[in-house]
Amino acid sequence: EGQLVESGGGVVQPGGSLRLSCAASGFGFSTSYMHWVRQAPGKGPAWIARISGDGSVRGYADSVKGRFTISRDNVKNTLYLQMNSLGVDDTAMYYCARDRVSGTYGPWGQGTLVTVSS
Amino acid sequence: DVVMTQTPDSLAVSLGERATINCKSSQSLLYSFNNKNYLAWYQQRPGQPPKLLIYWASTRESGVPDRFSGSGSETDFTLTISSLQAEDVAVYYCQQYSDIPYTFGQGTKLEIK
Repeated sequence: EGQLVESGGGVVQPGGSLRLSCAASGFGFSTSYMHWVRQAPGKGPAWIARISGDGSVRGYADSVKGRFTISRDNVKNTLYLQMNSLGVDDTAMYYCARDRVSGTYGPWGQGTLVTVSS
Repeated sequence: DVVMTQTPDSLAVSLGERATINCKSSQSLLYSFNNKNYLAWYQQRPGQPPKLLIYWASTRESGVPDRFSGSGSETDFTLTISSLQAEDVAVYYCQQYSDIPYTFGQGTKLEIK
């Protein structure tokens, strides 16, 4: 099934930036669509971005479009999320996930917590 | 965006009894070209990421116990746990993957009575 390990979360001030990473192992990373999904405290998950195996196709939720950029390095088997202009509403656990079937997610990483606070 | 609404918000069921969770979408998730419903179910145990249980509305993911089953079509779907076990305590989410942005329901918290 594979394994995903996120890193890069932390506390950042409003307007700041962070770069999340997701290290993948145990499956065909370079041929897999990958997603970032976030979950605000006490809320359900929310999809925010996806990228095709070769990186040529990317998509974003309206809530992050123009602020967040998804990318990948298939040599390093690593997925990234560059987050700019962060606001308090971006506070959440951020998960990376493999596309299991046509837009479903599995497996998921354990997540990395992003807190936007002054 | 497609709105997913789950009922109930919370549910308490005795061990060994049946648990039923409903999910309603604001538009049909059935595609006629392949006759598939683009609906998935996830389980999220406390402190854990969500885990995919069912996709195509009724296809169980590998390794998922057969007490979990999914049914329904178009806009109305159901997740059934036939005989509740202690390890099934979790929040359950439905998700549509018919239209971007893929959206989740608000979740149903399942507890032991």
